[in-house]
Amino acid sequence: AVQLVESGGGLVQPKESLKISCAASGFTFSNAAMYWVRQAPGKGLEWVARIRTKPNNYATYYADSVKGRFTISRDDSKSMVYLQMDNLKTEDTAMYYCTAGRGALDYWGQGVMVTVSS
Amino acid sequence: DIQMTQSPPSLSASLGDKVTITCQASQNINKYIAWYQQKPGKAPRLLIRYTSTLESGTPSRFSGSGSGRDYSFSISNVESEDIASYYCLQYDNLPNTFGAGTKLELK
Repeated sequence: AVQLVESGGGLVQPKESLKISCAASGFTFSNAAMYWVRQAPGKGLEWVARIRTKPNNYATYYADSVKGRFTISRDDSKSMVYLQMDNLKTEDTAMYYCTAGRGALDYWGQGVMVTVSS
Repeated sequence: DIQMTQSPPSLSASLGDKVTITCQASQNINKYIAWYQQKPGKAPRLLIRYTSTLESGTPSRFSGSGSGRDYSFSISNVESEDIASYYCLQYDNLPNTFGAGTKLELK
């Protein structure tokens, strides 16, 4: 079965950095585009970032709200995807979900909470 | 970016009712719309892809339709386990964008 397990969340202060991780299993990771989606407390879903596969040069794409501050990366040898978050703002407080899919976002992890507060 | 206007924000239904949620895209999305169900404290679950293709395990009382900019999602014969929030997602263009969500409650 497909499993996506996020880790690394926590409480940080504004302007600090945090890197969250996602361990994938149950599918051919190297063939899958990977995504991060977030959800602020009591709010809707927001698409954050995508990274494609090696044949597609690991191309990345970001939402405007995080462009220049967040970096998505992957390690196919470990079936891991990461989200490096720099210069965090209070509005980045959210549950962050790792997702994978064939166009649509088929598979979701359980999420990891990131809280940005002074 | 493509905007997805989802309505209504909330919906109250009785068991056995049929309910419909709509999403209008700010431009043609070529049927690349998916629908998700999210229960409190849980991750979203993909129910329907490409407008009307039900995922394995999605009950047949769920359905989707539409084309161009206008899409709809319906639940016929609402059951208690359907009480959740529902989101549309366009995946025709990057960045993918979600509708604001519809919270389905029991009347």
